[in-house]
Amino acid sequence: DVKVTQSSRYLVKRTGEKVFLECVQDMDHENMFWYRQDPGLGLRLIYFSYDVKMKEKGDIPEGYSVSREKKERFSLILESASTNQTSMYLCASMDSYTREQFFGPGTRLTVL
Amino acid sequence: AQKITQTQPGMFVQEKEAVTLDCTYDTSDPSYGLFWYKQPSSGEMIFLIYQGSYDQQNATEGRYSLNFQKARKSANLVISASQLGDSAMYFCAMRENTGRRALTFGSGTRLQVQP
Repeated sequence: DVKVTQSSRYLVKRTGEKVFLECVQDMDHENMFWYRQDPGLGLRLIYFSYDVKMKEKGDIPEGYSVSREKKERFSLILESASTNQTSMYLCASMDSYTREQFFGPGTRLTVL
Repeated sequence: AQKITQTQPGMFVQEKEAVTLDCTYDTSDPSYGLFWYKQPSSGEMIFLIYQGSYDQQNATEGRYSLNFQKARKSANLVISASQLGDSAMYFCAMRENTGRRALTFGSGTRLQVQP
């Protein structure tokens, strides 16, 4: 079974803090994604990575950066957290052959 | 332009009845895939069913089937014999095979199954 794990289920941070969200997958997938989920908006793509050290912006990259130093790990970074970044963050990895995406359990981030 | 449209924010269905969740999409890519995911209150995204744009037959997975009407650009999810455990958010998503690898999601439909 593919397993995608995220470092925290719930996180509370203060405005201006630097926040790291970690995602690890154990199936050697090349493609990994960070989505943000907000009510009424579905999931929106923040960034994705198709290989180590490779990344591309998604639809809403502003205020975020990412890091992919190892194939299994994809990190989302909020350089200076703001209240409008309070949301559910979902990481996914993709099987290149079937193109199915497997999701982590999500991190619910609250920025006060 | 919105690429995936789910027009039903919420749906109710009686236990053991069938329910259809609507999804329309927009793409100029001739090769694409359509997905349905279930998200229970616990938050994890559970893959349900996949339909490729060149698949001749509608996809089925157990109680889930996908009513794919290519000319109308619709990919409705049909859940037969609803169970209480089917209560969840349901998301339709699309991936364009010649475009970026990521999925584009609809806004979701919250399904509540009533006993």
